[in-house]
Formats: sequence, C-alpha cells, structure tokens
Amino acid sequence: GENVEQHPSTLSVQEGDSAVIKCTYSDSASNYFPWYKQELGKRPQLIIDIRSNVGEKKDQRIAVTLNKTAKHFSLHITETQPEDSAVYFCAASWSSNTGKLIFGQGTTLQVKP
Amino acid sequence: GAGVSQSPSNKVTEKGKDVELRCDPISGHTALYWYRQSLGQGLEFLIYFQGNSAPDKSGLPSDRFSAERTGGSVSTLTIQRTQQEDSAVYLCASSRGLAEATDTQYFGPGTRLTVL
Repeated sequence: GENVEQHPSTLSVQEGDSAVIKCTYSDSASNYFPWYKQELGKRPQLIIDIRSNVGEKKDQRIAVTLNKTAKHFSLHITETQPEDSAVYFCAASWSSNTGKLIFGQGTTLQVKP
Repeated sequence: GAGVSQSPSNKVTEKGKDVELRCDPISGHTALYWYRQSLGQGLEFLIYFQGNSAPDKSGLPSDRFSAERTGGSVSTLTIQRTQQEDSAVYLCASSRGLAEATDTQYFGPGTRLTVL
C-alpha cells in the first residue's frame, strides 16, 4: 500500500544553522508533496508544497526538493530561528486518487537560541 | 475569511458510549477529509467526501466509525461504542475539490477525544 517514510524523527539545531528533513514515498504515481508545520496544540499549517513537474521550489528560508527517480523529497530550512521549532510532516498524494494525503511520521525540530 | 472549524474542541467519554464530532469546512470547498492523529504519530486518513458523497472510506478502522455530510458543507464523524484505542485527535480538512485532486488541504483545529 501507499507509504511515506520520514527521517529523522527528532532534529536539534542551533539558531542560524540549517535543517534538513527527508521523506521517501512508495507509490510512483504520487505527484503532489506538501509539507505541514504543526505547533504544539495547533492545527497543521501548509508551509510549502511541490508538484512532480518541478524539481525544486523555494519560499524565503524554506525550500523543497524532489527526486522522482529515487522517490525522495526533502525540506530545507536555512537560517533557523526559535520560532521554527515545531513538528513537521511531509505527505504525498496523487491526482488519480481522491486527493487523500499519506503522511510521514513527523519530525520534531528544536531550534536552540 | 473563516477557516475550517471543528467542535467540540475536547471530548471526554466513557468506553462504550457514542460520540459525534463536527466539521465546518471553508465555504465553497467541495472536498472534505477526516484524519486521525494518535499521540506522537502522523496523520492517518479516514474518509473523503466530494460534495455529499464519500467515494473513499478506505481509512475507517472499523464499522463503529461512520461519517456523513449534508448540504455539501457540514460533516459529522460518529464513533459508536467507543474504545480506549479510539482516543486521538480527529482532524478535518477541506479543499476546493479540483478535478486534479491535488489541491491544498486546510486543516481545522481538531477534536481531542479521550475515552476513559
């Protein structure tokens, strides 16, 4: 069945450093890959997404890369700030299905001041 | 505009009781999804609505779980004869329901269900 693996499960960085979170997916038909940020007790919020027709997308300090051949996609956060501390989830979906998202297990990012 | 809303925000119930969880999607969004998030886990898909129809119920864990949607808007997730393993945060999301089915999903704040 569909599966998304996410690593690492926890990540601690110093303020100003970069953070990278990686995901792999099982279904080669997947063509939509969003990333959500969830602060403690809050709803997941979309921070960036990428579709299969591009290999990279950037929005200020956040970037996502996609390697369809290897079925990998990654989130890159540069110049991390304490407010980046949260749980980050990757997900995959594909247009031939209902649009349901298959989520990774989440990465708890801690940015130390 | 208003985002996705859910009620109640918290629900504590006794094992064996039935519960109803409500979701109000963003106005005009035809697609609605329910997910479950167990403690420290990722989000698990439960059911998908397009309008009032549910073409994908594949994530419902047992026949104790059911959901409906009326008027293409509000949805209710019902859990009958609740069990302790049903304790989780139940999240609702909505999207515009584009034909390409890869549209952004916006999440509600969730309902935290605790079964004693």
